[in-house]
Amino acid sequence: DIQMTQSPPSLSASVGDRVTITCRASQSVANLVHWYQQRPGKVPQLLIFATSTLQRGVPSRFSGSASGTDFTLTISSLQAEDFATYYCQQSYGTPTFGQGTKLEIK
Amino acid sequence: EVQLVESGGTLVQPGRSLRLSCAASGFNFEDAAMHWVRQAPGKGLEYVAGISWNSGSMGYADSVEGRFTISRDNARNSVYLQMDSLRTEDTALYYCAKDEGAVAGFIDFWGQGTLVTVSS
Repeated sequence: DIQMTQSPPSLSASVGDRVTITCRASQSVANLVHWYQQRPGKVPQLLIFATSTLQRGVPSRFSGSASGTDFTLTISSLQAEDFATYYCQQSYGTPTFGQGTKLEIK
Repeated sequence: EVQLVESGGTLVQPGRSLRLSCAASGFNFEDAAMHWVRQAPGKGLEYVAGISWNSGSMGYADSVEGRFTISRDNARNSVYLQMDSLRTEDTALYYCAKDEGAVAGFIDFWGQGTLVTVSS
């Protein structure tokens, strides 16, 4: 299986901060990396697909990018509703998820 | 409105079998790949299995390969997960999930999940 190594495992930040979460793939996965948000007690929601395309209804403060096998989710100005856990997922091979990043309020 | 309703989760002993079902509605089921993803209590998401629109392609996580089997019935708008030789580490909330496309890609809709507890 293709491994997705996600960092950091947890992150403390304040409303208005800019934050970055990274996933490194164990091999080339083209642009087939997607990002999900999971709020406590809720099902995951798709944020970004194919590295950088925003899902309908997702605020523009979310963005995605890549450099080689490193993929990044950026939130430009944190809002209260953004405190959640974020996961990357690749679909180049049998899908796999990163281990998750829990974004907490500082 | 897209709906995915899982069923079949329960308490089961190690080594036993269980079959999960997912009833889909609100979209063209035969056009979408389908997946099972699980989440152990307090842990992250783990991909379990997926099946393409026409059952021509299936994929499994290494942790369940050879023990779990995914299938679908397009006439019944349903997807299934047959779980054999269950282990305590299979305890999790099992989500049925819809792919955006016909083969495995990304998930654009999730069910609410069904809880499987493997314990003696």
